[in-house]
Amino acid sequence: NAGVTQTPKFQVLKTGQSMTLQCAQDMNHNSMYWYRQDPGMGLRLIYYSASEGTTDKGEVPNGYNVSRLNKREFSLRLESAAPSQTSVYFCASSGELVAYNEQFFGPGTRLTVL
Amino acid sequence: RKEVEQDPGPFNVPEGATVAFNCTYSNSASQSFFWYRQDCRKEPKLLMSVYSSGNEDGRFTAQLNRASQYISLLIRDSKLSDSATYLCVMMPPTYIPTFGRGTSLIVHP
Repeated sequence: NAGVTQTPKFQVLKTGQSMTLQCAQDMNHNSMYWYRQDPGMGLRLIYYSASEGTTDKGEVPNGYNVSRLNKREFSLRLESAAPSQTSVYFCASSGELVAYNEQFFGPGTRLTVL
Repeated sequence: RKEVEQDPGPFNVPEGATVAFNCTYSNSASQSFFWYRQDCRKEPKLLMSVYSSGNEDGRFTAQLNRASQYISLLIRDSKLSDSATYLCVMMPPTYIPTFGRGTSLIVHP
């Protein structure tokens, strides 16, 4: 089992360019999440999907869109990248959206916007 | 005020020392709590869940104090390999995890 995979691992964009970050999990999890992590800021939730067919905004959704393509895949799209979106992006999954449920994280995508 | 507060550190301790971190939370309706470990430039991984009665896993002990709204992590007999950032996570009634900013631990020889 690969767990949670993310592509690409690294990306450099120019301001205004668009891109999609891909995430897939092979653990048959219902819930998936996208976070960004900036120095000194910890992990902040961008969007989440409690189950296939649903998506909801997290703490910092502006400038992003998501698609829960199927149970396995949850993508994050930047339509018009800005330097403020330079960050490390982590995708995570968990079995259910319940109290004691471990999240499993992908290895992250390091994005730089020039 | 951020919902989950942690002292960023770094906590710089010698091998074999005992070190403790606290994490305070503002939502008194929080359902559950966790400690995650994050190594430099890697993804976070679950270290342990925090139960109301407290729980222990080898050298690690987690405690919850609902009256004062904080959780703690105690590491005994620190190893060099314990050097990492420790993230406190709170689960509110919405079950959407809220992460603290992390506490950095450096264990030196």
